[in-house]
Amino acid sequence: GNSVTQMEGPVTLSEEAFLTINCTYTATGYPSLFWYVQYPGEGLQLLLKATKADDKGSNKGFEATYRKETTSFHLEKGSVQVSDSAVYFCALTGYSTLTFGKGTMLLVSP
Amino acid sequence: DTEVTQTPKHLVMGMTNKKSLKCEQHMGHRAMYWYKQKAKKPPELMFVYSYEKLSINESVPSRFSPECPNSSLLNLHLHALQPEDSALYLCASSQGLAGVLDNEQFFGPGTRLTVL
Repeated sequence: GNSVTQMEGPVTLSEEAFLTINCTYTATGYPSLFWYVQYPGEGLQLLLKATKADDKGSNKGFEATYRKETTSFHLEKGSVQVSDSAVYFCALTGYSTLTFGKGTMLLVSP
Repeated sequence: DTEVTQTPKHLVMGMTNKKSLKCEQHMGHRAMYWYKQKAKKPPELMFVYSYEKLSINESVPSRFSPECPNSSLLNLHLHALQPEDSALYLCASSQGLAGVLDNEQFFGPGTRLTVL
């Protein structure tokens, strides 16, 4: 079956630091890959997505590249802000259902 | 309109109460979902509706009863819940169930449910 593994958190960074959150997956076929973000007390927001190998998703300074050869979809941002503090979920979908990773909490201090 | 709305935002209920959660979308999406999310965990899929018909039930206890009155609305009826059912209940929608363009799910803000 499908599965997503992402790094354990919390990840604690100072403002303007570089961010990487690792995500690897196991799936049959050709899944689409997503990063969702959940701010405290809120629902999930789609941050970015990629639908085929070598696609790069980007949004709000965040980027992730669909790497089929390493089955990875790592999230990166060059300079984090305090407002980026949230929980980040890597997810994939084949047919109909989303498979989520366990989530990584990011804490950014001023 | 690219929004999924959910009401109420918060709900407190006793174990003998009957209540309902409501979800609405006006994006013309034909698939709608209910998820349950416990603190510090990813969302867990409960139900999937496709074209107003129940497509997936992830072995959810019968005290949770979904309903899809039309293509824009999704309800979750609650009866005789237990304290362990306290969680954030999220609704989502997507264009359909198959195909690359259909896979993106849009989530609502959730209803935070507390069962006393």
